[in-house]
Amino acid sequence: DVKVTQSSRYLVKRTGEKVFLECVQDMDHENMFWYRQDPGLGLRLIYFSYDVKMKEKGDIPEGYSVSREKKERFSLILESASTNQTSMYLCASSATSGRVAGELFFGEGSRLTVL
Amino acid sequence: AQSVTQLGSHVSVSEGALVLLRCNYSSSVPPYLFWYVQYPNQGLQLLLKYTTGATLVKGINGFEAEFKKSETSFHLTKPSAHMSDAAEYFCAVSDGSGTYKYIFGTGTRLKVLA
Repeated sequence: DVKVTQSSRYLVKRTGEKVFLECVQDMDHENMFWYRQDPGLGLRLIYFSYDVKMKEKGDIPEGYSVSREKKERFSLILESASTNQTSMYLCASSATSGRVAGELFFGEGSRLTVL
Repeated sequence: AQSVTQLGSHVSVSEGALVLLRCNYSSSVPPYLFWYVQYPNQGLQLLLKYTTGATLVKGINGFEAEFKKSETSFHLTKPSAHMSDAAEYFCAVSDGSGTYKYIFGTGTRLKVLA
């Protein structure tokens, strides 16, 4: 069964802490994504990566950074967590197939609370 | 720029009734369209997708959607709602430009009444 695994389902952190959210996929997908999900706002793209060590900013990259050192792993980093980063974070991956957009496979999400 | 509009953030239907969740998109290029479902405390999973070819697309759990280019719509339907269909549904569009960016709607929460 194909899988995208997010390391933590629930986290509670303090303002100013550095936060790492890890995501691993076992499907050999080229593309990986980090989304943030907030009620009434849907999913908003933070960063995505189409290859190892490659990254592109999404719609809301401020306050976040990412790392992709291996194809299967994509990490989201909050350098100094703030209360407005309290949210559900979703990792996803997709394959590249010509110019056809492959479906996204999602992890179960990481719910982060910043106090 | 692409955008996706889902009409109705909350929809309630009776068990056995027709489910209709609306999605309209704007895209300057032929779009790839998706519907995803999210059950409580879970990630999203694909219900169905349209890329090319037949405009009526069938998905899992009895759902289907029709791509109507003239109306820029991709509404999701199911003839008979089941209690297990209660979830949040997201419409998404990709422009297939090679960037593989997906634009999501704000979601519609479906409630099924017994």
